[in-house]
Amino acid sequence: GIQVEQSPPDLILQEGANSTLRCNFSDSVNNLQWFHQNPWGQLINLFYIPSGTKQNGRLSATTVATERYSLLYISSSQTTDSGVYFCAVGRYMDTGRRALTFGSGTRLQVQP
Amino acid sequence: AAGVIQSPRHLIKEKRETATLKCYPIPRHDTVYWYQQGPGQDPQFLISFYEKMQSDKGSIPDRFSAQQFSDYHSELNMSSLELGDSALYFCASSLSGSSYEQYFGPGTRLTVT
Repeated sequence: GIQVEQSPPDLILQEGANSTLRCNFSDSVNNLQWFHQNPWGQLINLFYIPSGTKQNGRLSATTVATERYSLLYISSSQTTDSGVYFCAVGRYMDTGRRALTFGSGTRLQVQP
Repeated sequence: AAGVIQSPRHLIKEKRETATLKCYPIPRHDTVYWYQQGPGQDPQFLISFYEKMQSDKGSIPDRFSAQQFSDYHSELNMSSLELGDSALYFCASSLSGSSYEQYFGPGTRLTVT
């Protein structure tokens, strides 16, 4: 199956700092999503980005599909950004397999 | 906009009991997925359904079964519960032909004592 590696595993920031999270994957994909899991366990969709660049407020993401990596940028971090950030990838096949494979996540702690 | 609905949100069961988790996908979505997230782990794919037929199977124990009904809602049935089944169970849905984006529900937190 597809392997997904995220780095760094843990990150501590001061409020207002910027950060970059990375996701490497081992095979071609046609689905790549970034999620934020909040302290209550909810998985919040951040981006659906199998290729290209997207921005949403202080967050942006870039996926370079040909080089099999994606980056999530967080600018001017806030304490509410704390939690675990997951990258998940999937590959649609004729057999219908569309499940997402998750990375191990980056645990972010933003300190006031 | 309507989201994926899961019920119950919290469930406490004893070992060897059974549990049924329900999922109501976003209206018009034709594919439903179930994922299990153990404590401190990433979500793992269990099973999926496309147009009410089982589409793919992941690491789902034989003690678990699932189905999708005519109204597209899905149920995950878990029998002979074990302590290790304590986890967050997520349901997600997607719409074929548009993108492959999956939308996740809020999850059901199952605790087995």
